[in-house]
Amino acid sequence: AQTVTQSQPEMSVQEAETVTLSCTYDTSENNYYLFWYKQPPSRQMILVIRQEAYKQQNATENRFSVNFQKAAKSFSLKISDSQLGDTAMYFCAFMKGNNAGNMLTFGGGTRLMVKP
Amino acid sequence: ETGVTQSPTHLIKTRGQQVTLRCSSQSGHNTVSWYQQALGQGPQFIFQYYREEENGRGNFPPRFSGLQFPNYSSELNVNALELDDSALYLCASSPKRMNTEAFFGQGTRLTVV
Repeated sequence: AQTVTQSQPEMSVQEAETVTLSCTYDTSENNYYLFWYKQPPSRQMILVIRQEAYKQQNATENRFSVNFQKAAKSFSLKISDSQLGDTAMYFCAFMKGNNAGNMLTFGGGTRLMVKP
Repeated sequence: ETGVTQSPTHLIKTRGQQVTLRCSSQSGHNTVSWYQQALGQGPQFIFQYYREEENGRGNFPPRFSGLQFPNYSSELNVNALELDDSALYLCASSPKRMNTEAFFGQGTRLTVV
């Protein structure tokens, strides 16, 4: 079974600054995907960024980037130039890559507050 | 907006009752997954339906059951409700089983009293 751990229950950052959210995971799989999801007060889960484990290059999406350390089983999210709209819960998630009844395993979340 | 709609948005049920939650998947998506998110926690996978058949199940008892219809919409049924079933129930649809493209609805907040 896979586990995902987010060790920071809450984080805060000043607007326009950079913040890094941590995530570690445990798996015996070699083929898998990692995700960061954002959940604002509207409750809808929104995909922020996705990383394929077989890719060594770290994924980036505009102001969002990840630091994927496969050997250390670490997958952190960096948000640059933080904006007030980034205030939300952030969840790290894992998915096996075997294309059979795939499910997302989520961490416990990090509440991010962006302060003006 | 993802095009995934869930109904109702909120409901209150009494312990021991049964509840049905509904999910209308995004057009063209044949895979629907359901998740339970207890307050202050991350979502937990309940099950997934692909082309009207259950395609995977998490660690939930049999009183959690589901259906997927020919139009790929889905229902989650919970029998014999317990207080611990109080949670946000999220539905996610995907264009294929390999749901790296999962799109979530806004959830149904279920309160069991």
